[in-house]
Amino acid sequence: DIQMTQSPSSLSASVGDRVTITCRASQGISNYLAWYQQKPGKVPKLLIYAASTLQSGVPSRFSGSGSGTDFTLTISSLQPEDVATYYCQKYNSALLTFGGGTKVEIK
Amino acid sequence: EVQLLESGGGLVQPGGSLRLSCAASGFTFSSYAMSWVRQAPGKGLEWVSAISGSGGSTYYADSVKGRFTISRDNSKNTLYLQMNSLRAEDTAVYYCAKDGSMVTFGYYYYGMDVWGQGTTVTVSS
Repeated sequence: DIQMTQSPSSLSASVGDRVTITCRASQGISNYLAWYQQKPGKVPKLLIYAASTLQSGVPSRFSGSGSGTDFTLTISSLQPEDVATYYCQKYNSALLTFGGGTKVEIK
Repeated sequence: EVQLLESGGGLVQPGGSLRLSCAASGFTFSSYAMSWVRQAPGKGLEWVSAISGSGGSTYYADSVKGRFTISRDNSKNTLYLQMNSLRAEDTAVYYCAKDGSMVTFGYYYYGMDVWGQGTTVTVSS
């Protein structure tokens, strides 16, 4: 089975900082990757699919890139409302594995 | 408005069974694949199972295969998860999620774009 590894597991950054989260697949998955945001106590929300396609309504400060095994989620200018845990998810096969999550906090 | 409302969670003893339901509204239910995702207390998201829009294809995580059964009734706009032989490690909030297309993975899959509020399953004696 393909494993999804996110790094870092947590980070603290200042408002306005550029934040990058990495997701690595143990085998190539083309661009079959989605990113989700889960704010504290809330339901997960789809941010990006196909590695780089922004879901409707998601702020443009979020972007995704990558293909094959290495992917990144970037927040271009961190805002207080971006405090959340972010998850990647592969969907190249029927096993829709999530990464372990990256918790983003404000410094 | 697109809505998903889960029900059926509760406290069950190890080895017991529960059936979760997810009532959908605001979209053409049969046109979309659906998934169940769970989250153990303080832990990350774990995909559990998925079903195609027609119900003809079903998929399971290894951790639940042979114990859980996903199904749907498109006439009632309802998704189900029958959970048997429950274990302590099945304790979690269970979310149903609408997939962005009729398929459950691959080129025409667009992620889980709508999530329910979740229902809590606790497996304990």
